[in-house]
Amino acid sequence: TQLLEQSPQFLSIQEGENLTVYCNSSSVFSSLQWYRQEPGEGPVLLVTVVTGGEVKKLKRLTFQFGDARKDSSLHITAAQPGDTGLYLCAGAFPGFQKLVFGTGTRLLVSP
Amino acid sequence: DVKVTQSSRYLVKRTGEKVFLECVQDMDHENMFWYRQDPGLGLRLIYFSYDVKMKEKGDIPEGYSVSREKKERFSLILESASTNQTSMYLCASSFRSVGASSYNEQFFGPGTRLTVL
Repeated sequence: TQLLEQSPQFLSIQEGENLTVYCNSSSVFSSLQWYRQEPGEGPVLLVTVVTGGEVKKLKRLTFQFGDARKDSSLHITAAQPGDTGLYLCAGAFPGFQKLVFGTGTRLLVSP
Repeated sequence: DVKVTQSSRYLVKRTGEKVFLECVQDMDHENMFWYRQDPGLGLRLIYFSYDVKMKEKGDIPEGYSVSREKKERFSLILESASTNQTSMYLCASSFRSVGASSYNEQFFGPGTRLTVL
């Protein structure tokens, strides 16, 4: 059973465009992480959101945790080719050692 | 910065060979994980370890075993490699989660791309 669904699965855009990636679940998480994975490399942690409604910004990337802590979004403003990669969300449950990973969104930003 | 290293970036083995993939972390993390990643299937947990000599099966443990003799090192073993084990293998580590205040942030190594011929 896939607990975390990401949409869209694939996104191909031009440099300068804005985009939003969604991560949805019916489960409540104690925290949620976003990772970016470049081709041939391991995922790199971008951010962790913990509080319902929380918004975090990382340069042109804005992350939001849903009020009920069941969903999250990642918004990229003025995308650049360097943003190309696989974006993964992952949810944590209290006291549970493992993460539940989302299905992933593959982003391609063309010059 | 957390550093997770994996013994090889690329590995080519023959069917039936015994394969060792090693992972080392330098952050004194209690938890260590082995995943495989395949197109369209996402990240799938093979095994994880929450302490030295402790291990727990993940979602797809068949055909694999693990060893954790030291806190910083977690090895994945393919007893008899098969072509369907051709994949990207990722190691990760994290602090032990304690209650609702734990973030479970995992830190990944660069991956080992294993090809079994």
